Amino acid sequence: KAGVTQTPRYLIKTRGQQVTLSCSPISGHRSVSWYQQTPGQGLQFLFEYFSETQRNKGNFPGRFSGRQFSNSRSEMNVSTLELGDSALYLCASSYLPGQGSTGELFFGEGSRLTVL
Amino acid sequence: AQTVTQSQPEMSVQEAETVTLSCTYDTSENNYYLFWYKQPPSRQMILVIRQEAYKQQNATENRFSVNFQKAAKSFSLKISDSQLGDTAMYFCAFAVSGNTPLVFGKGTRLSVIA
Repeated sequence: KAGVTQTPRYLIKTRGQQVTLSCSPISGHRSVSWYQQTPGQGLQFLFEYFSETQRNKGNFPGRFSGRQFSNSRSEMNVSTLELGDSALYLCASSYLPGQGSTGELFFGEGSRLTVL
Repeated sequence: AQTVTQSQPEMSVQEAETVTLSCTYDTSENNYYLFWYKQPPSRQMILVIRQEAYKQQNATENRFSVNFQKAAKSFSLKISDSQLGDTAMYFCAFAVSGNTPLVFGKGTRLSVIA
């Protein structure tokens, strides 16, 4: 069974550009969560999607957005990139939403974004 | 709001020795869950161990065990017989049951030295 797949693995952008990251969950999983990981802040929750609906959102500016498709694949978008957006963006999938408490949350290897 | 604090940014341990990683948290909730996740250089987060707050017995998974002190809001991870493959970032995390996301600490970078 394939794990959570994130693309691209690495990317470099310049300030002001926008970026789209993709996450394909484990087959059968319908919930996708996104986290931002930086050395200074650790992992911070961005948002969670289930059945194409955003169920939860972290404390990030509106430049950060996401969506989920009918096949459960999810994308997140960051517009007007800033230097501080440089981070590892992790995606996690689960069968049901809110399964962080059960431990049934499976992470991808992340997309490393560098903003110059 | 819940917070998770890991006071040791970096630690090292000799192979086969035992090491303990510290974690404290703050919450007003009574029912919650605590976790330790491992992130090796491959970057994929892996669940190491999970503890339910209502259980007094400390969780154990092979060489990994926790010391859960609910009153002190402390949740440390002990790794016995450390192996080179244990080299990784370790994150302590917290979740309230239901539809709440995981709250992570900032991590402890553990190096196992041969």
